[in-house]
Amino acid sequence: GNSVTQMEGPVTLSEEAFLTINCTYTATGYPSLFWYVQYPGEGLQLLLKATKADDKGSNKGFEATYRKETTSFHLEKGSVQVSDSAVCFCALSDLISGGYNKLIFGAGTRLAVHP
Amino acid sequence: NAGVTQTPKFQVLKTGQSMTLQCAQDMNHEYMSWYRQDPGMGLRLIHYSVGAGITDQGEVPNGYNVSRSTTEDFPLRLLSAAPSQTSVYFCASSFRTGGSSAGNTIYFGEGSWLTVV
Repeated sequence: GNSVTQMEGPVTLSEEAFLTINCTYTATGYPSLFWYVQYPGEGLQLLLKATKADDKGSNKGFEATYRKETTSFHLEKGSVQVSDSAVCFCALSDLISGGYNKLIFGAGTRLAVHP
Repeated sequence: NAGVTQTPKFQVLKTGQSMTLQCAQDMNHEYMSWYRQDPGMGLRLIHYSVGAGITDQGEVPNGYNVSRSTTEDFPLRLLSAAPSQTSVYFCASSFRTGGSSAGNTIYFGEGSWLTVV
């Protein structure tokens, strides 16, 4: 079945460092891909998404490019801030009955940014 | 600007007790779902609904029951709580997510932290 694999954390960085969190997927067809974040004590928020190959999703300085050839959707940011500390989830859309999609999530990667 | 609202936020149950997690959305979304989040496992789908009166099982439905009597509400019932159901529960909603709408954003509530002792 379809699945998502993302790098284990925690990822610990100093403020202004470059961030990469790897995400690869296994899927039949061409799913949409998402990054969700969960800040401490809060629920999930959509960070960015891409719906077809070579699309780049971006938001709040974060970027991820849908790479069909490597089945990847790595999350990057050029200069992280303390306020970026969160658990980051990579996810893909997977078809369920009735023509709807559910999300399949990776295990999550904790990002900790220190001053 | 309520979005998806879940209650309660925190709950402690004893083994064997039953309870209902409430979920309401004010965006007129047809699709609603419940996920559970466990360490190292991401989120897994419990049940979902594509409209009032229509529900179906996800990956991990055992021990849970749902109903959808209105578009707005999608409660999750734990029939007889077990320690294995200790988890964080998220309700989510969206407009149609299939076919060309696969990229539609799914909106999540803030989560309900449940501990079963």
